[in-house]
Amino acid sequence: KNEVEQSPQNLTAQEGEFITINCSYSVGISALHWLQQHPGGGIVSLFMLSSGKKKHGRLIATINIQEKHSSLHITASHPRDSAVYICAVSPSGGSYIPTFGRGTSLIVHP
Amino acid sequence: DGGITQSPKYLFRKEGQNVTLSCEQNLNHDAMYWYRQDPGQGLRLIYYSQIVNDFQKGDIAEGYSVSREKKESFPLTVTSAQKNPTAFYLCASSIRGGPTAYNEQFFGPGTRLTVL
Repeated sequence: KNEVEQSPQNLTAQEGEFITINCSYSVGISALHWLQQHPGGGIVSLFMLSSGKKKHGRLIATINIQEKHSSLHITASHPRDSAVYICAVSPSGGSYIPTFGRGTSLIVHP
Repeated sequence: DGGITQSPKYLFRKEGQNVTLSCEQNLNHDAMYWYRQDPGQGLRLIYYSQIVNDFQKGDIAEGYSVSREKKESFPLTVTSAQKNPTAFYLCASSIRGGPTAYNEQFFGPGTRLTVL
Protein backbone atom coordinates (compact mmCIF):
# COMPACT_ATOMS: atom_id res chain seq x y z
CA LYS A 1 0.00 0.00 0.00
CA ASN A 2 1.39 3.38 -0.98
CA GLU A 3 1.94 5.66 2.01
CA VAL A 4 0.74 8.60 -0.09
CA GLU A 5 -2.61 8.43 -1.85
CA GLN A 6 -3.83 11.04 -4.30
CA SER A 7 -7.29 11.61 -5.69
CA PRO A 8 -8.53 11.84 -8.26
CA GLN A 9 -6.10 9.97 -10.51
CA ASN A 10 -7.32 11.87 -13.57
CA LEU A 11 -9.16 15.17 -13.78
CA THR A 12 -10.62 17.07 -16.72
CA ALA A 13 -11.89 20.63 -16.39
CA GLN A 14 -13.05 23.55 -18.47
CA GLU A 15 -11.06 26.75 -18.43
CA GLY A 16 -12.04 28.91 -15.48
CA GLU A 17 -13.13 26.10 -13.19
CA PHE A 18 -11.98 25.74 -9.60
CA ILE A 19 -9.94 22.58 -9.16
CA THR A 20 -9.11 20.56 -6.07
CA ILE A 21 -6.62 17.71 -5.84
CA ASN A 22 -6.38 15.71 -2.62
CA CYS A 23 -3.53 13.95 -0.89
CA SER A 24 -3.75 11.61 2.10
CA TYR A 25 -0.80 10.07 3.87
CA SER A 26 -0.35 7.50 6.59
CA VAL A 27 2.91 8.43 8.31
CA GLY A 28 4.10 11.25 10.51
CA ILE A 29 5.74 13.90 8.40
CA SER A 30 8.15 16.78 8.66
CA ALA A 31 6.95 18.36 5.41
CA LEU A 32 4.57 17.84 2.51
CA HIS A 33 5.31 18.92 -1.04
CA TRP A 34 3.27 19.61 -4.10
CA LEU A 35 5.10 19.22 -7.39
CA GLN A 36 4.11 19.87 -10.99
CA GLN A 37 5.25 17.71 -13.88
CA HIS A 38 4.66 19.00 -17.40
CA PRO A 39 4.32 16.71 -20.43
CA GLY A 40 8.00 17.14 -21.22
CA GLY A 41 8.79 15.39 -17.94
CA GLY A 42 10.56 18.02 -15.87
CA ILE A 43 9.33 18.52 -12.32
CA VAL A 44 9.06 21.80 -10.46
CA SER A 45 8.28 22.34 -6.83
CA LEU A 46 5.10 24.31 -6.16
CA PHE A 47 4.82 24.23 -2.39
CA MET A 48 6.51 22.85 0.68
CA LEU A 49 4.41 23.07 3.82
CA SER A 50 4.22 21.61 7.29
CA SER A 51 1.14 23.43 8.58
CA GLY A 52 -1.67 25.74 7.56
CA LYS A 53 -1.95 27.19 4.12
CA LYS A 54 0.22 28.69 1.39
CA LYS A 55 -0.78 30.68 -1.68
CA HIS A 56 1.10 31.46 -4.85
CA GLY A 57 -0.81 33.19 -7.60
CA ARG A 58 -3.82 31.04 -8.47
CA LEU A 59 -2.53 28.07 -6.50
CA ILE A 60 -3.39 27.38 -2.88
CA ALA A 61 -2.12 24.48 -0.78
CA THR A 62 -3.54 23.49 2.59
CA ILE A 63 -2.60 20.83 5.08
CA ASN A 64 -4.35 19.32 8.10
CA ILE A 65 -1.72 17.53 10.15
CA GLN A 66 -4.22 15.88 12.50
CA GLU A 67 -6.17 14.38 9.61
CA LYS A 68 -3.04 13.63 7.56
CA HIS A 69 -4.54 15.33 4.53
CA SER A 70 -3.57 18.06 2.11
CA SER A 71 -5.32 19.74 -0.78
CA LEU A 72 -4.06 21.66 -3.78
CA HIS A 73 -6.51 24.15 -5.24
CA ILE A 74 -6.28 25.93 -8.58
CA THR A 75 -8.55 28.93 -9.03
CA ALA A 76 -9.61 30.14 -12.48
CA SER A 77 -7.93 27.18 -14.18
CA HIS A 78 -6.23 27.67 -17.53
CA PRO A 79 -5.08 25.23 -20.23
CA ARG A 80 -1.47 25.93 -19.25
CA ASP A 81 -2.26 24.35 -15.86
CA SER A 82 -2.54 21.00 -17.64
CA ALA A 83 0.08 18.79 -16.02
CA VAL A 84 0.56 15.99 -13.54
CA TYR A 85 0.45 17.16 -9.93
CA ILE A 86 2.40 15.09 -7.46
CA CYS A 87 2.14 15.01 -3.69
CA ALA A 88 5.18 13.92 -1.69
CA VAL A 89 5.81 13.63 2.03
CA SER A 90 9.05 13.68 3.98
CA PRO A 91 8.65 11.32 6.93
CA SER A 92 9.51 12.59 10.38
CA GLY A 93 11.82 10.73 12.71
CA GLY A 94 14.97 10.27 10.71
CA SER A 95 14.43 9.58 7.02
CA TYR A 96 14.45 12.74 4.97
CA ILE A 97 13.87 10.99 1.67
CA PRO A 98 10.39 11.86 0.38
CA THR A 99 7.73 9.32 -0.56
CA PHE A 100 5.81 10.25 -3.68
CA GLY A 101 2.19 9.78 -4.63
CA ARG A 102 1.29 8.46 -8.07
CA GLY A 103 0.20 11.84 -9.32
CA THR A 104 -3.02 13.41 -10.58
CA SER A 105 -3.22 14.08 -14.29
CA LEU A 106 -5.06 17.35 -14.97
CA ILE A 107 -6.29 18.47 -18.38
CA VAL A 108 -7.89 21.88 -18.69
CA HIS A 109 -9.80 22.47 -21.91
CA PRO A 110 -10.22 25.95 -23.39
CA ASP B 1 21.77 30.18 -14.50
CA GLY B 2 21.93 27.57 -11.77
CA GLY B 3 20.25 24.27 -12.28
CA ILE B 4 20.42 20.55 -12.95
CA THR B 5 21.11 19.12 -16.36
CA GLN B 6 20.55 15.59 -17.55
CA SER B 7 21.70 14.20 -20.81
CA PRO B 8 20.63 12.92 -23.15
CA LYS B 9 16.88 13.61 -23.17
CA TYR B 10 16.18 10.36 -25.02
CA LEU B 11 18.39 7.29 -25.03
CA PHE B 12 18.03 4.02 -26.87
CA ARG B 13 20.08 0.94 -26.11
CA LYS B 14 20.09 -2.69 -27.06
CA GLU B 15 19.25 -5.28 -24.46
CA GLY B 16 22.31 -6.47 -22.58
CA GLN B 17 24.26 -3.23 -22.88
CA ASN B 18 25.21 -1.05 -19.96
CA VAL B 19 24.30 2.61 -20.29
CA THR B 20 25.27 5.65 -18.23
CA LEU B 21 22.95 8.59 -17.62
CA SER B 22 24.50 11.93 -16.85
CA CYS B 23 23.42 14.33 -14.09
CA GLU B 24 25.22 17.59 -13.39
CA GLN B 25 24.28 20.40 -11.01
CA ASN B 26 25.80 23.84 -10.45
CA LEU B 27 23.69 24.69 -7.42
CA ASN B 28 26.46 23.77 -4.98
CA HIS B 29 24.13 21.19 -3.43
CA ASP B 30 25.58 18.47 -1.25
CA ALA B 31 22.87 15.86 -1.82
CA MET B 32 21.87 14.24 -5.11
CA TYR B 33 19.28 11.60 -5.95
CA TRP B 34 18.22 9.30 -8.78
CA TYR B 35 14.57 8.35 -9.26
CA ARG B 36 12.81 6.09 -11.68
CA GLN B 37 9.31 6.89 -12.92
CA ASP B 38 7.02 4.34 -14.57
CA PRO B 39 3.50 5.00 -15.88
CA GLY B 40 0.93 5.03 -13.09
CA GLN B 41 3.53 4.86 -10.34
CA GLY B 42 5.10 7.38 -8.04
CA LEU B 43 8.77 8.23 -8.25
CA ARG B 44 10.92 5.47 -6.79
CA LEU B 45 14.34 6.12 -5.31
CA ILE B 46 17.26 4.26 -6.90
CA TYR B 47 20.32 5.77 -5.18
CA TYR B 48 21.14 8.89 -3.26
CA SER B 49 24.29 10.63 -2.13
CA GLN B 50 24.58 13.01 0.80
CA ILE B 51 28.17 13.98 0.16
CA VAL B 52 31.02 13.44 -2.27
CA ASN B 53 32.46 9.90 -2.31
CA ASP B 54 29.47 8.51 -0.44
CA PHE B 55 26.16 7.07 -1.64
CA GLN B 56 23.40 4.78 -0.40
CA LYS B 57 20.98 2.40 -2.04
CA GLY B 58 17.38 3.43 -2.36
CA ASP B 59 14.32 1.23 -2.73
CA ILE B 60 15.14 -0.22 -6.16
CA ALA B 61 18.93 -0.22 -6.46
CA GLU B 62 19.30 -3.69 -8.00
CA GLY B 63 20.74 -3.51 -11.49
CA TYR B 64 21.98 0.06 -11.08
CA SER B 65 25.26 1.62 -9.99
CA VAL B 66 26.38 5.18 -9.24
CA SER B 67 29.47 7.19 -8.42
CA ARG B 68 29.97 10.54 -6.72
CA GLU B 69 33.54 11.59 -7.42
CA LYS B 70 32.65 15.26 -7.75
CA LYS B 71 30.09 17.38 -5.93
CA GLU B 72 28.58 18.49 -9.23
CA SER B 73 28.15 15.09 -10.83
CA PHE B 74 26.16 11.94 -10.00
CA PRO B 75 26.08 9.59 -13.00
CA LEU B 76 23.81 6.56 -13.01
CA THR B 77 24.72 3.35 -14.83
CA VAL B 78 21.92 1.03 -15.84
CA THR B 79 23.52 -2.38 -16.08
CA SER B 80 22.47 -5.44 -18.02
CA ALA B 81 21.35 -6.93 -14.70
CA GLN B 82 18.40 -4.54 -14.54
CA LYS B 83 15.49 -6.67 -15.74
CA ASN B 84 13.19 -3.91 -16.92
CA PRO B 85 15.27 -0.80 -17.61
CA THR B 86 12.91 1.06 -19.94
CA ALA B 87 11.66 4.02 -17.90
CA PHE B 88 11.93 7.75 -17.30
CA TYR B 89 14.86 8.63 -15.03
CA LEU B 90 14.96 11.80 -12.97
CA CYS B 91 17.90 13.26 -11.11
CA ALA B 92 17.43 15.69 -8.23
CA SER B 93 19.56 17.61 -5.78
CA SER B 94 19.06 19.36 -2.47
CA ILE B 95 21.20 21.72 -0.41
CA ARG B 96 22.14 19.00 2.04
CA GLY B 97 21.16 15.57 3.10
CA GLY B 98 20.49 14.37 6.61
CA PRO B 99 17.55 13.85 8.90
CA THR B 100 17.64 17.12 10.79
CA ALA B 101 15.66 19.15 8.33
CA TYR B 102 13.94 18.62 5.04
CA ASN B 103 15.62 20.17 2.06
CA GLU B 104 13.64 21.05 -1.03
CA GLN B 105 14.61 18.93 -3.99
CA PHE B 106 15.31 20.44 -7.40
CA PHE B 107 14.78 18.17 -10.38
CA GLY B 108 16.49 17.82 -13.71
CA PRO B 109 14.54 17.49 -16.99
CA GLY B 110 14.85 13.69 -17.03
CA THR B 111 16.15 11.06 -19.44
CA ARG B 112 13.81 8.65 -21.16
CA LEU B 113 15.60 5.35 -21.63
CA THR B 114 14.27 2.77 -24.04
CA VAL B 115 15.90 -0.64 -24.23
CA LEU B 116 15.18 -2.42 -27.48
